[in-house]
Amino acid sequence: GAVVSQHPSRVICKSGTSVKIECRSLDFQATTMFWYRQFPKQSLMLMATSNEGSKATYEQGVEKDKFLINHASLTLSTLTVTSAHPEDSSFYICSAQTVHEQFFGPGTRLTVL
Amino acid sequence: AQTVTQSQPEMSVQEAETVTLSCTYDTSESDYYLFWYKQPPSRQMILVIRQEAYKQQNATENRFSVNFQKAAKSFSLKISDSQLGDTAMYFCAYRGNRDDKIIFGKGTRLHILP
Repeated sequence: GAVVSQHPSRVICKSGTSVKIECRSLDFQATTMFWYRQFPKQSLMLMATSNEGSKATYEQGVEKDKFLINHASLTLSTLTVTSAHPEDSSFYICSAQTVHEQFFGPGTRLTVL
Repeated sequence: AQTVTQSQPEMSVQEAETVTLSCTYDTSESDYYLFWYKQPPSRQMILVIRQEAYKQQNATENRFSVNFQKAAKSFSLKISDSQLGDTAMYFCAYRGNRDDKIIFGKGTRLHILP
């Protein structure tokens, strides 16, 4: 099946700094990618839909100025958590859409101290 | 709005037994997709099985099969001959035909006991 990678897998940062997470589709092109957030023992919550060459579509309640999404190419989408705070600590998962299904990245664990 | 409900937060079964995970959903659409995803301790989301709503035949993938009842909006997952490696969180999910967004249920944590 198709492979989606995320980098980094883990990141620890100080409060107030910004963190960038990359999501890449390795063997296919994805015009649409998705970013999810998952709290411990909870389900995946869709944050935004990332469309190549256009602005991301954010779900209700997600701050677009806080979570910047850039889908610069058909194989790369980035999520930047700006001015991170401890409440932003979470597991972030991306997925990339093909015609028939979404393939998920392995996730990035963000810890904000 | 579409919703997905998993009423079993946690289940435990003995190895080699059969287990059924429940899922119901709500939608006004007639054409859509339903999925079961597995999330093991590694947290990598893995597609277990997929069902197109227009297909009456229940999807099967080796030991995994679904009971899709469109009128009842029910989509349960049956795992036969359960194995220790089946221990994971299982999410039922819905995707409409108009966009690609996937809506997940809250999940069922499944423990396979040796």
